[in-house]
This record gives sequence, structure tokens and C-alpha cells, in this order.
Amino acid sequence: DVKVTQSSRYLVKRTGEKVFLECVQDMDHENMFWYRQDPGLGLRLIYFSYDVKMKEKGDIPEGYSVSREKKERFSLILESASTNQTSMYLCASSSSDGGPFNEQFFGPGTRLTVL
Amino acid sequence: AQSVTQLDSHVSVSEGTPVLLRCNYSSSYSPSLFWYVQHPNKGLQLLLKYTSAATLVKGINGFEAEFKKSETSFHLTKPSAHMSDAAEYFCVVALLNTGFQKLVFGTGTRLLVSP
Repeated sequence: DVKVTQSSRYLVKRTGEKVFLECVQDMDHENMFWYRQDPGLGLRLIYFSYDVKMKEKGDIPEGYSVSREKKERFSLILESASTNQTSMYLCASSSSDGGPFNEQFFGPGTRLTVL
Repeated sequence: AQSVTQLDSHVSVSEGTPVLLRCNYSSSYSPSLFWYVQHPNKGLQLLLKYTSAATLVKGINGFEAEFKKSETSFHLTKPSAHMSDAAEYFCVVALLNTGFQKLVFGTGTRLLVSP
């Protein structure tokens, strides 16, 4: 069974803190993605990575950075958390085999609250 | 630019009645389209995808969607709703961003199923 796991289901942080969200996939996928999900806005892409140490900005990268040191792990970093980063964060992965329109597999999400 | 519009934020049906979740897309070329479902407190799961093969696509759990180019639509249907279908549904268009997959999500439709 395919698996994408995220380090925390719920997280509460204070404004200005550095926050790390971790994502691990066990499917040997090349591509990994970070989204945030807000009511009425759907999912918006923050960053993605198509290979180890490679990263690309998504639609809303401001205030975030990422790290991919190993193929199975993709970290999202909030350098200085702000209240407008309170959201649900979803990680996903997909294979590059067979073309670019493969299914993305999602983790259960991390609900982050910044006070 | 490619985008999707989900026409209803909420849809309510009775168990055993048909389901129709509407999605219109905008694309300058032949799109690849998906429907994902998110059950409460669970990650997103792929329901079905269209990638320019048959225009009628069958997915999991009895759902299907029809690609209609003339109407720029990709509506999701099911003949008979089940209580377990209550969830949020996302229509998604895939973009090829310099050869890498990028998904653009609609704002979601919450399906409510009453007994």
C-alpha cells in the first residue's frame, strides 16, 4: 500500500518561530509537492521537487522554503511563522514513470495554527 | 492560463438519488483533468482522470465523468448516492510546467448526503 506520511497531524506555534514540516514517502517517487489548503480556496501549490536537491517555486512560495536531501523526504520550512500561515498543509508525491500526468498520492495533512 | 471552476460550493442529495458535481475548465490546449475526493480527516484520493482517451471516464466507487470539449465541462456523476460519499470533491487540471507536472485545483464542492 502506498504511503505518504507527515510528521504531525496538529501543530501550534508562535509568531516568529521557525517551523519544520516533514513529509516522507515510501514509493520511490521522483516528484514531491507541498500544498496549503484553505476553505474556499482549494489547494494551492507552495513548492515542488522533481529530484533530490532540486526545487521549484509553486504559486505561493513567499514565506516558505523547502529541502530535499533524500529522495523519500521533503521538508517545508516556515522561516518566521506568521498568523496568515495558519492553514492545513498537504504533502504529495508522484512518479515520473510513464509521463507527467500520473496520480499524486497525498498525506493526511498537518493542521498548523500560528498564534 | 489553465484553470477549473467548480460551480457549486455545496451540493445536498438524499441517499439513493443521483449525484452531479459540476466543473468547467479553461485551457488553451487539450487538458488532462482529474477528480479527487477528500473524506473528513483523510488525505486526498484520486477518483478518476481524463487524459485524451475515452471521453467518458469511470472511476472508483461508481463515479464517472464525461469530458465535453464543446461545453468545456468535466462534470462528476454517480447514479445513486451512498452515505459514505459525503466528502469534499476537487476538480483538477494538470499543467505541464517546463515538463513537470503541476496540478491546479478548483475550490472544492462539499457533498452532503442525507438519509
